[in-house]
Amino acid sequence: NAGVTQTPKFRVLKTGQSMTLLCAQDMNHEYMYWYRQDPGMGLRLIHYSVGEGTTAKGEVPDGYNVSRLKKQNFLLGLESAAPSQTSVYFCASIGHLNTEAFFGQGTRLTVV
Amino acid sequence: AQSVTQLGSHVSVSEGALVLLRCNYSSSVPPYLFWYVQYPNQGLQLLLKYTSAATLVKGINGFEAEFKKSETSFHLTKPSAHMSDAAEYFCAVRVTNFGNEKLTFGTGTRLTIIP
Repeated sequence: NAGVTQTPKFRVLKTGQSMTLLCAQDMNHEYMYWYRQDPGMGLRLIHYSVGEGTTAKGEVPDGYNVSRLKKQNFLLGLESAAPSQTSVYFCASIGHLNTEAFFGQGTRLTVV
Repeated sequence: AQSVTQLGSHVSVSEGALVLLRCNYSSSVPPYLFWYVQYPNQGLQLLLKYTSAATLVKGINGFEAEFKKSETSFHLTKPSAHMSDAAEYFCAVRVTNFGNEKLTFGTGTRLTIIP
């Protein structure tokens, strides 16, 4: 049982490049989330989804886009990366019968 | 909108001493509350959760937390600190209104254990 898997685990981008982070869960969970973690700021919600085909903005959505075309996958896109987007990104999911979130292992992104 | 405040970004305690990490929340509806722990270069692991059953919740590794509605608090405690408890701890709140399924985290408390 893989749980929540994030791809890739590490990435270095140049300013202005684009990339997509993939979050895949095999628990048939309805709700999925993308967070960024920065020192002293905890985890801040970027975007989230309450079901296939639906997405919503979190507290820090600027510069990011998301899509949830399939229930098991939640994609986070950076169209034009900036150094301020250097961070560790975490994906999480919650099912209808769960109360707590299950997390991926994180993606460390550096934008130079 | 819900929010979480963790008082003290860094807490140091001696090995064997009481651990107390503070968390206060704000929510317009009865919340679910969580404590997660993060060890260096790892993901988040659930320590314990409050889901409106017992107000005193016991978790893994000897930690417990008490939900106090009147104080809007959910402080994390452990009677005797161990070196392996050194980590960063996050309090989180989740509300489940239709269309609002946000999970909001505090800014974290880094716990250092002094030998």
